[in-house]
Amino acid sequence: DGGITQSPKYLFRKEGQNVTLSCEQNLNHDAMYWYRQDPGQGLRLIYYSQIVNDFQKGDIAEGYSVSREKKESFPLTVTSAQKNPTAFYLCASSSWTSGGVTDTQYFGPGTRLTVL
Amino acid sequence: GQNIDQPTEMTATEGAIVQINCTYQTSGFNGLFWYQQHAGEAPTFLSYNVLDGLEEKGRFSSFLSRSKGYSYLLLKELQMKDSASYLCAVPNDYKLSFGAGTTVTVRA
Repeated sequence: DGGITQSPKYLFRKEGQNVTLSCEQNLNHDAMYWYRQDPGQGLRLIYYSQIVNDFQKGDIAEGYSVSREKKESFPLTVTSAQKNPTAFYLCASSSWTSGGVTDTQYFGPGTRLTVL
Repeated sequence: GQNIDQPTEMTATEGAIVQINCTYQTSGFNGLFWYQQHAGEAPTFLSYNVLDGLEEKGRFSSFLSRSKGYSYLLLKELQMKDSASYLCAVPNDYKLSFGAGTTVTVRA
């Protein structure tokens, strides 16, 4: 079955520690995305990658880093510089329309990060 | 840039109909998406409208008016499992810009 996996589902971190969230897709999508969702709020874009070995900052990239060494994988590192890291993190992937814009994005199950 | 507005909350009775409105302002239009998100879960794709008019998919329908910058999602014959947040989103080049979501609560 094609899809997107994220691990772990729940993650606890002490203040001052970096943590890496995993995202893998087997949909053969070129584009991948990381979003953050806080209680009662919409999705905010952290980083996105249009193609392997390339990625761009989203609206709230400060305190986060990513890599895109393989088409299937787009890990997100939450660094100690992120002031309020406790949130629900969602990874998504998509292909492109003929017009060169994002097509339907499909989401992984999410990782809930709690900083203690 | 994108400016997307939708109501925060709506409540309806099982078996009823609910209409969730979404207004948007974009620099260039490339369609509009609707997603459903149950509490604690990932958003799942519901519909994509790029042309004006109504598209029906079972109990869910989505309408678009490009000239008015307006869309709505219509949920018919509401069921308890329809209690969720509904997000509208518009493409912005390589990204999707999301509204804050409308939380629909279905009462028995």
